[in-house]
Amino acid sequence: GQQVMQIPQYQHVQEGEDFTTYCNSSTTLSNIQWYKQRPGGHPVFLIQLVKSGEVKKQKRLTFQFGEAKKNSSLHITATQTTDVGTYFCAGCDDNNAGNMLTFGGGTRLMVKP
Amino acid sequence: GAGVSQSPSNKVTEKGKDVELRCDPISGHTALYWYRQSLGQGLEFLIYFQGNSAPDKSGLPSDRFSAERTGGSVSTLTIQRTQQEDSAVYLCASSLVKGAHTEAFFGQGTRLTVV
Repeated sequence: GQQVMQIPQYQHVQEGEDFTTYCNSSTTLSNIQWYKQRPGGHPVFLIQLVKSGEVKKQKRLTFQFGEAKKNSSLHITATQTTDVGTYFCAGCDDNNAGNMLTFGGGTRLMVKP
Repeated sequence: GAGVSQSPSNKVTEKGKDVELRCDPISGHTALYWYRQSLGQGLEFLIYFQGNSAPDKSGLPSDRFSAERTGGSVSTLTIQRTQQEDSAVYLCASSLVKGAHTEAFFGQGTRLTVV
């Protein structure tokens, strides 16, 4: 079945440093989504990418979908303590069971002030 | 309601007892997911419903776990003869599967503690 892998699993950064998490799928995706889970909270949708090579920005966050639609990245510029949390990617593969979303394992970001 | 609702929010149970967790998805959402999350860990997939059927139940950890969904809406996750390793937050999510619009909305979760 479809597998979605994320690296790194954990990342400690100093406030102001950049951060990147990478997502790789074993199959071609129709779209990729990113979620953020704050400590003690539940995952909340950030963004969806659909087109090959697509790049979207949300303030200091830059999301990219690979040309082959099998990988994606989330880059945070100049991290702040409010960025702390776990970032999940989730891929939708048209060939799997009824457009099911498959989540990656997440990258837990810790920011030292 | 406006979002995905889960009940109870917290459940403490004795080892060996059965528990039932409930998820009310957003009205009209055809897809429903159950995940389990241990402290500081990722999302462990349990089961996925499309309408009332479960195309993928590969994540259920053992035959003590079962889930059903009726009327294409409410879902219940039942854990029989609970064990201490079942302690975790159980998250439910729903999505409207229409074209490429598959954003998942999560509930607040049920924190299960088996003592």
